[in-house]
Amino acid sequence: AQSVTQLDSHVSVSEGTPVLLRCNYSSSYSPSLFWYVQHPNKGLQLLLKYTSAATLVKGINGFEAEFKKSETSFHLTKPSAHMSDAAEYFCVVSGKAAGNKLTFGGGTRVLVKP
Amino acid sequence: EPEVTQTPSHQVTQMGQEVILRCVPISNHLYFYWYRQILGQKVEFLVSFYNNEISEKSEIFDDQFSVERPDGSNFTLKIRSTKLEDSAMYFCASGETYTWGNTIYFGEGSWLTVV
Repeated sequence: AQSVTQLDSHVSVSEGTPVLLRCNYSSSYSPSLFWYVQHPNKGLQLLLKYTSAATLVKGINGFEAEFKKSETSFHLTKPSAHMSDAAEYFCVVSGKAAGNKLTFGGGTRVLVKP
Repeated sequence: EPEVTQTPSHQVTQMGQEVILRCVPISNHLYFYWYRQILGQKVEFLVSFYNNEISEKSEIFDDQFSVERPDGSNFTLKIRSTKLEDSAMYFCASGETYTWGNTIYFGEGSWLTVV
């Protein structure tokens, strides 16, 4: 069984300040982890993924995430938020036992204030 | 960049009516999926499809649902007799392989409203 918990349903940041989106996962087997972003009226776009290589993963648009097995976490960060980062972000897990079926977290909606 | 496309973007239908949601996966992909998100709830897996048959389906995917790849490009989800609780955003997705960790690409979704 696998599950994902996104610890914040909403995050509000000022433009130019750091962004932290928290994600904890549970998986019976070595997980593959993803962050997807959904802008208004758009589809789900892959930001980055972890598949057992380097624990610090760099993605698009300046985002990165760190896989911490001991904490079962995969938090997403960005040093400096931009107005265009306002969107909903989903942490997703795929475990070997589940084939390639994805299990989504509840999502975190990010608001960026000017 | 290749993308998954879905039609319609929004459909309103009466309870009991049949609905077909259409998707064009990325052209060299072999694995196809439907996910859905009921308003206020998590995105959840419905079904995966490969080589013209269902690979895996969730408990949600009951006899009211069916999928088909009628030609070389389209992938459809049919709901035979819609219920109010079928109102949701339906996402089509595709992937090159079924390998663990392979990236799955999503479409923009089809909003289905059942009244």
